[in-house]
Amino acid sequence: QVQLKESGPVLVQASETLSLTCTVSGFSLTNYGVIWVRQPPGKGLEWMGIIWRNGNTDYNSALKSRLSINRDTSKSQVFLKMNSLQTDDTAIYYCTRVHYSSSPDYWGQGVMVTVSS
Amino acid sequence: DIQMTQSPPSLSASLGDKVTITCQASQNINKYIAWYQQKPGKAPRQLIRYTSTLVSGTPSRFSGSGSGRDYSFSISNVESEDIASYYCLQYDNLWTFGGGTKLELK
Repeated sequence: QVQLKESGPVLVQASETLSLTCTVSGFSLTNYGVIWVRQPPGKGLEWMGIIWRNGNTDYNSALKSRLSINRDTSKSQVFLKMNSLQTDDTAIYYCTRVHYSSSPDYWGQGVMVTVSS
Repeated sequence: DIQMTQSPPSLSASLGDKVTITCQASQNINKYIAWYQQKPGKAPRQLIRYTSTLVSGTPSRFSGSGSGRDYSFSISNVESEDIASYYCLQYDNLWTFGGGTKLELK
């Protein structure tokens, strides 16, 4: 069955770089894109960026200067890196699956990341 | 970037009520809107895609409509399990979420 699971540090210092991994199963990264979405505590959802099935990427313009998304198809893993973290980057980070440019269907459980000053 | 304005931010309803949430896009999104339900501590769950297509497993009391820039999402006969937050998402040009609506029991 389709599964996505986020992993990474739960606590990061301000000004440092966040590195998260999304490990997928039940589908191929060459057939589906993976989107990252985040949600600050008590707030709404924010689309961060996508790595398309062909490996190309697109980013939210508000995060573009700090964000990069890559993948290792052989390991079925997608990687998010975001630098210059601030306390308002504290959020639950989700990875989700998309078919072409459709709406995300399957979601990971999310990982809560706290940025400490 | 496309902006999505969702209203109301919160909604209070009694069991059995019909409730409606709206989303307005900053430009025509050609019906490429989905609706998600999120319960506390859980990932969002897709209910509707392409304006009005119910995703497998979505109860028929949920519905969506709209075109151009204006879209709506309704729940008829609200049940206790529907108490959650709801988000619209445009996917006509990349992706943008609405601000969310928290549905509470009156």
